[in-house]
Amino acid sequence: KAGVTQTPRYLIKTRGQQVTLSCSPISGHRSVSWYQQTPGQGLQFLFEYFSETQRNKGNFPGRFSGRQFSNSRSEMNVSTLELGDSALYLCASSPTSGTGGYIQYFGAGTRLSVL
Amino acid sequence: AQTVTQSQPEMSVQEAETVTLSCTYDTSENNYYLFWYKQPPSRQMILVIRQEAYKQQNATENRFSVNFQKAAKSFSLKISDSQLGDTAMYFCAFKGTQGGSEKLVFGKGTKLTVNP
Repeated sequence: KAGVTQTPRYLIKTRGQQVTLSCSPISGHRSVSWYQQTPGQGLQFLFEYFSETQRNKGNFPGRFSGRQFSNSRSEMNVSTLELGDSALYLCASSPTSGTGGYIQYFGAGTRLSVL
Repeated sequence: AQTVTQSQPEMSVQEAETVTLSCTYDTSENNYYLFWYKQPPSRQMILVIRQEAYKQQNATENRFSVNFQKAAKSFSLKISDSQLGDTAMYFCAFKGTQGGSEKLVFGKGTKLTVNP
């Protein structure tokens, strides 16, 4: 079974541009979560999508948005990029969403550099 | 809000020896899950071990085991017979059960180096 796939792996953008990152979860997984990883702040939760609905959102500005499609694939978008948005963006999928301790499987990440 | 603290930014161990990574957390919830994830230099985050808070028994996965002290809100990871491939960042993570979300709260991580 294929793992979580994130594209692209690397991205270079300039300030003010916008960017879209993609995540294909493990087949059959319906929950997709996004995390931002930086040396200073560590791993921070961005948002979670389940059955095309956002279930939870972290403490990030409105420039960060996401969506999930009917096949569970998810995209996240960052508009008006700032230098501080440079980070590794990780996507994780799990079979479902709720009160269970489901294991989240992570993709290799997208390394975004904002110049 | 839940918080997870890993007090050891870096650790090193000799191959074949045992090392323990510390993690403490803060929550008002009674039911929750705790995880240790490993992130090797290649960056893919991999689950090492999972603990359910309502289970008294400490989780074990081959060379990896945890010491879960619920009252003390402590969740340490012990790696026995350390191998070079264990070199990685290790993250402790918390998942609550209120709110019905898969959100994980991570600690800042411990960089473990296994020396030959």
